[in-house]
Amino acid sequence: QSVLTQPPSASGTPGQRVTISCSGSSSNIGSNYVYWYQQLPGTAPKLLIYRNNQRPSGVPDRFSGSKSGTSASLAISGLRSEDEADYYCAAWDDSLRGVFGGGTKLTVL
Amino acid sequence: EVQLVETGGGLIQPGGSLRLSCAASGFTVSSNYMSWVRQAPGKGLEWVSVIYSGGSTYYADSVKGRFTISRDNSKNTLYLQMNSLRAEDTAVYYCARVEYDWINGPDAFDIWGQGTMVTVSS
Repeated sequence: QSVLTQPPSASGTPGQRVTISCSGSSSNIGSNYVYWYQQLPGTAPKLLIYRNNQRPSGVPDRFSGSKSGTSASLAISGLRSEDEADYYCAAWDDSLRGVFGGGTKLTVL
Repeated sequence: EVQLVETGGGLIQPGGSLRLSCAASGFTVSSNYMSWVRQAPGKGLEWVSVIYSGGSTYYADSVKGRFTISRDNSKNTLYLQMNSLRAEDTAVYYCARVEYDWINGPDAFDIWGQGTMVTVSS
């Protein structure tokens, strides 16, 4: 049972906009930044969004993040086949421990 | 090039011990926060431990008292000593560099290694 709650799956067709939700509590998302990681099949996770809505250099602006209260979401616009991956939300909690969501498997139909 | 390379995984019997290593290049381990994250087969990511540049350490409840995170500054290497291993510790173990902010503390896992597989089974 993961500390942060994500839907196990999401899907969309090429060009569509897809959103993935992440729900936490006051001790993690509610009081700390949210991060999103993308894990392509057979590879290590990669940082996608940091500090709620910031993109590292090299991440396309098709990816965006937002946070409100104890929830956060990742939006992917202009969906492409190469976006098919597992997506994880994460945060630090007030006890200085890391927490992850259970992951969302995105399928591009 | 900034890189992390984990080694030390393998097959170990329940109750046994194993030490994972994570060699860094392109940056200094001791000047950064470093963390271990694991992923059981077919499952999601689970945070395991973090060590701050000042030496403070924190652990997930699932490994506290059994695992120890440490570093060797002369070798620019991070370690995870795992004792009293259980079947549920079976996972790919990733080391990651943790960005930090002096006001807000630990930040994003910005650099990840390729992972090393640990299998706990008799």
